[in-house]
Amino acid sequence: GDSVTQTEGLVTVTEGLPVKLNCTYQTTYLTIAFFWYVQYLNEAPQVLLKSSTDNKRTEHQGFHATLHKSSSSFHLQKSSAQLSDSALYYCVPPSGSWQLIFGSGTQLTVMP
Amino acid sequence: GGIITQTPKFLIGQEGQKLTLKCQQNFNHDTMYWYRQDSGKGLRLIYYSITENDLQKGDLSEGYDASREKKSSFSLTVTSAQKNEMAVFLCASSIVGLGGEEQYFGPGTRLTVL
Repeated sequence: GDSVTQTEGLVTVTEGLPVKLNCTYQTTYLTIAFFWYVQYLNEAPQVLLKSSTDNKRTEHQGFHATLHKSSSSFHLQKSSAQLSDSALYYCVPPSGSWQLIFGSGTQLTVMP
Repeated sequence: GGIITQTPKFLIGQEGQKLTLKCQQNFNHDTMYWYRQDSGKGLRLIYYSITENDLQKGDLSEGYDASREKKSSFSLTVTSAQKNEMAVFLCASSIVGLGGEEQYFGPGTRLTVL
């Protein structure tokens, strides 16, 4: 069945250093959009990035991700983490149904 | 643009009580969702509705009822609140489902059961 595997638990990085949140997935719906959602503390989740094009880099708010269908990956990266990037991040692949797979997400904490 | 409003923002209930949460959206979206989020955890789907008067159960539907009487509104009922239960309930909507469209979320209702 459809599934997603993200970097587990908590990722801590020092401000100014690069950060990478891993995401691998299993889905048969490869022509439908893949998402990264971000949820800041006490706020609702919102879309950070969206992609459905293989091997094309997508960027937003300094973050970037490239969908690699050959390796079933959609990792999220940023070259220089900011304190304001601290949040819960969800990699959400298409499921072909109305039920999206949000999973547990990865908590990113950026330390000064 | 549009907005999703959820009422109430905070809900305090007693064990065994029936509690109702409401969600309104003005995106004119067809599909609406209810998720539960426990502290520090991810989202779990309770119910979703593809269109007015449609209801579909998610993985966490036991203990909950839902109602979609209008396209713009989606209500969730906790049928019997559990003691010491604490969670945030998030409502979301999208144009259509099937995973291809962005889901827009409301600010949430924080439930505490005494």
